[in-house]
Amino acid sequence: DTGVSQDPRHKITKRGQNVTFRCDPISEHNRLYWYRQTLGQGPEFLTYFQNEAQLEKSRLLSDRFSAERPKGSFSTLEIQRTEQGDSAMYLCASSFTGANVLTFGAGSRLTVL
Amino acid sequence: RKEVEQDPGPFNVPEGATVAFNCTYSNSASQSFFWYRQDCRKEPKLLMSVYSSGNEDGRFTAQLNRASQYISLLIRDSKLSDSATYLCVVNGANAGKSTFGDGTTLTVKP
Repeated sequence: DTGVSQDPRHKITKRGQNVTFRCDPISEHNRLYWYRQTLGQGPEFLTYFQNEAQLEKSRLLSDRFSAERPKGSFSTLEIQRTEQGDSAMYLCASSFTGANVLTFGAGSRLTVL
Repeated sequence: RKEVEQDPGPFNVPEGATVAFNCTYSNSASQSFFWYRQDCRKEPKLLMSVYSSGNEDGRFTAQLNRASQYISLLIRDSKLSDSATYLCVVNGANAGKSTFGDGTTLTVKP
């Protein structure tokens, strides 16, 4: 197991387009998290899953954002109708339930032109 | 007010110096606490957990004051390789969501 994998590492898109990011967590971890980080800020919580159940979603997350983890393994984060303000690093992390220690992937950097 | 607040710095210190970072959190029901390190353009990585009794890992010492809702990180004998952003992290009562501060940037100079 090589840790948490994210794909793509970089995505440049035009405003209004849809984008999808994929995260493959550490296989033994049943929790998966999505965070967003912009320059000079700490990671901002978006949502998290325990197995396939989405347990919490940030109130800051607009309806344009949706995340899935259909089989409790990999997860996808989709952003519809992207806006320039969506430009950020999207970080995925995983953990054991109750461990609270997160292992992050290298992130997917989104640039919206 | 942010849930987790840190002094953004930057802290610029010479090699060998001792430096301390502070963090405050607003949710008194918070249960667990951590320091993460983030190098430039890299993902955050766990540095150490913070226990109520305080804990030490080599040159790093973490302290928690639940009454004041305050966490600290002390780095002794700073090395050039300690240059990074240090993120304070707090978990709530249900242990689901980890809330990050905006980080404190440290630069250690020769």
